[in-house]
Amino acid sequence: DAGVIQSPRHEVTEMGQEVTLRCKPISGHDYLFWYRQTMMRGLELLIYFNNNVPIDDSGMPEDRFSAKMPNASFSTLKIQPSEPRDSAVYFCASSWQGATNEKLFFGSGTQLSVL
Amino acid sequence: QKEVEQNSGPLSVPEGAIASLNCTYSDRGSQSFFWYRQYSGKSPELIMSIYSNGDKEDGRFTAQLNKASQYVSLLIRDSQPSDSATYLCAVASGGSYIPTFGRGTSLIVHP
Repeated sequence: DAGVIQSPRHEVTEMGQEVTLRCKPISGHDYLFWYRQTMMRGLELLIYFNNNVPIDDSGMPEDRFSAKMPNASFSTLKIQPSEPRDSAVYFCASSWQGATNEKLFFGSGTQLSVL
Repeated sequence: QKEVEQNSGPLSVPEGAIASLNCTYSDRGSQSFFWYRQYSGKSPELIMSIYSNGDKEDGRFTAQLNKASQYVSLLIRDSQPSDSATYLCAVASGGSYIPTFGRGTSLIVHP
């Protein structure tokens, strides 16, 4: 298996522009998570899906952020309009929440820089 | 608000020594505890999980859990320079399986 695949690896954009981050989870995994990591706040959960349905989006910082999971193999995180304070590494992770398997598999992350 | 606290470090130890990393959590309902390792510029990867009070050993790694004190630790024996990384503690409440992460402790193992 190729693991969790994220794109792009790096994104540099200007304030006010729309940014779309993409994620392909591991096949068969039924949970998908979007995390944001910064030096100041560490790894923060933004939103997670179970069987393609958003379960908890309380970590989404504001209405500029939105996430979708149209099918089991694809998810997007969109920021519109982007702001410099959105600069961070965004990780997608997936897991299979069986009785004994709670391991999160992380993608390589997207380094976002908003100028 | 569920909180997971770690000393940010850096924790510096000589090669061959024991590195001790500590974590406290606020939610008494927590039932699942994890240690992730994150190399600089890379993504976190799970190295240990523990669910019951006591010690769990896996090679050079030992996880220790004390639910009464709301404390979990990771011991790395015979530390190697390749162990230099940030170690993230993660805690999940019973039934949710959704972990909350601490900010991580930076470990430096010097030759």
